[in-house]
Amino acid sequence: DQQVKQNSPSLSVQEGRISILNCDYTNSMFDYFLWYKKYPAEGPTFLISISSIKDKNEDGRFTVFLNKSAKHLSLHIVPSQPGDSAVYFCAASGISSGSARQLTFGSGTQLTVLP
Amino acid sequence: GAGVSQTPSNKVTEKGKYVELRCDPISGHTALYWYRQSLGQGPEFLIYFQGTGAADDSGLPNDRFFAVRPEGSVSTLKIQRTERGDSAVYLCASSPGRSNTEAFFGQGTRLTVV
Repeated sequence: DQQVKQNSPSLSVQEGRISILNCDYTNSMFDYFLWYKKYPAEGPTFLISISSIKDKNEDGRFTVFLNKSAKHLSLHIVPSQPGDSAVYFCAASGISSGSARQLTFGSGTQLTVLP
Repeated sequence: GAGVSQTPSNKVTEKGKYVELRCDPISGHTALYWYRQSLGQGPEFLIYFQGTGAADDSGLPNDRFFAVRPEGSVSTLKIQRTERGDSAVYLCASSPGRSNTEAFFGQGTRLTVV
């Protein structure tokens, strides 16, 4: 039973264009969402987060949008750069996760930015 | 060190053996987490420590898995009678302990059971 789903295992984008990574969740008790980036042989690195009381959070080239009614969030990267090529994980936490600290991850999307 | 450190980075063990995986969190971080990542999947929660105590061990798959954090800093994940299905990357993360803050991950220990 996957509570956080990333339905696109891979995405290729041209350098300079926008990358849009999508994530869906099923547990309505999730109240905090995060995106992590992972390079090979490294641990995930925190990218950006959003609380359920907001619908948008922006940090430089990265913007996360949250649609609570649709239980959907997306990460926009603009402009995309070759260094952004990595696996992106969506994660969620909430009261239903026991400690409210346990993160539930999606399966990841491999982003490739083509020069 | 500046980040979360995990040792060893790679571990190959024979089926049935006992292994210990170590995690050094970021200094001052009171919360520590263990996750397991299998090939093609996202990390799966195993256990969460707040200080020395395991606040949530609901993710441990069975009683062959155990983790300790005796002094509230370094943590050790222990796996008894290893099975081939235990092969995965084991990730440790730490956070300052405030709610809704991001966790910082180590590079992981790749465990291979042969």
